[in-house]
Amino acid sequence: KNQVEQSPQSLIILEGKNCTLQCNYTVSPFSNLRWYKQDTGRGPVSLTIMTFSENTKSNGRYTATLDADTKQSSLHITASQLSDSASYICVVSDEGGSYIPTFGRGTSLIVHP
Amino acid sequence: GAGVSQSPSNKVTEKGKDVELRCDPISGHTALYWYRQSLGQGLEFLIYFQGNSAPDKSGLPSDRFSAERTGGSVSTLTIQRTQQEDSAVYLCASSGRTSGRTTGELFFGEGSRLTVL
Repeated sequence: KNQVEQSPQSLIILEGKNCTLQCNYTVSPFSNLRWYKQDTGRGPVSLTIMTFSENTKSNGRYTATLDADTKQSSLHITASQLSDSASYICVVSDEGGSYIPTFGRGTSLIVHP
Repeated sequence: GAGVSQSPSNKVTEKGKDVELRCDPISGHTALYWYRQSLGQGLEFLIYFQGNSAPDKSGLPSDRFSAERTGGSVSTLTIQRTQQEDSAVYLCASSGRTSGRTTGELFFGEGSRLTVL
């Protein structure tokens, strides 16, 4: 069964600090991995997509990594801002034709001033 | 519109009543998904549409839940005889690209918050 596990479940950091969120998956055959950001009371929004051949991809202060061998991804946030407070969701799609991506439960990040 | 539109944004109903939630996807998007998110929890898959057909409705929690999509566009999620445990945010997403055997980026609406008293 396809699964996506995220850690930590929640995280509190001070503004300006860096943090790293983790995602482990057992989706097969792997197609792509996306990180979504969900602000409180809003729908999730895609931050970045990682395909099999990509190791690192940046989007502003967000940097995602992918290790397809160990089936792990991370999302690193640099110089955090109050607006980074949100839930970060790891979503993995397979090439099996189901068209139903597998969602992690998300990491809740709170950035304190 | 430019994005996925959902209505109502908030719905308060009494236990036992029926409710309808509407989703207007991005124009041209053939794939449409419904998810449920309880307070502080992750997204729970409910049903997937490709065009007007629903090849995967495995996430619908009971026969009180049903959904339809007409004209390859607007979708309605209906919950009959609502129960308190149905209280949650119902999110709709659409996707326009199904390259090969996988799915593209999901674009989410803002959700419909359902409260069953």
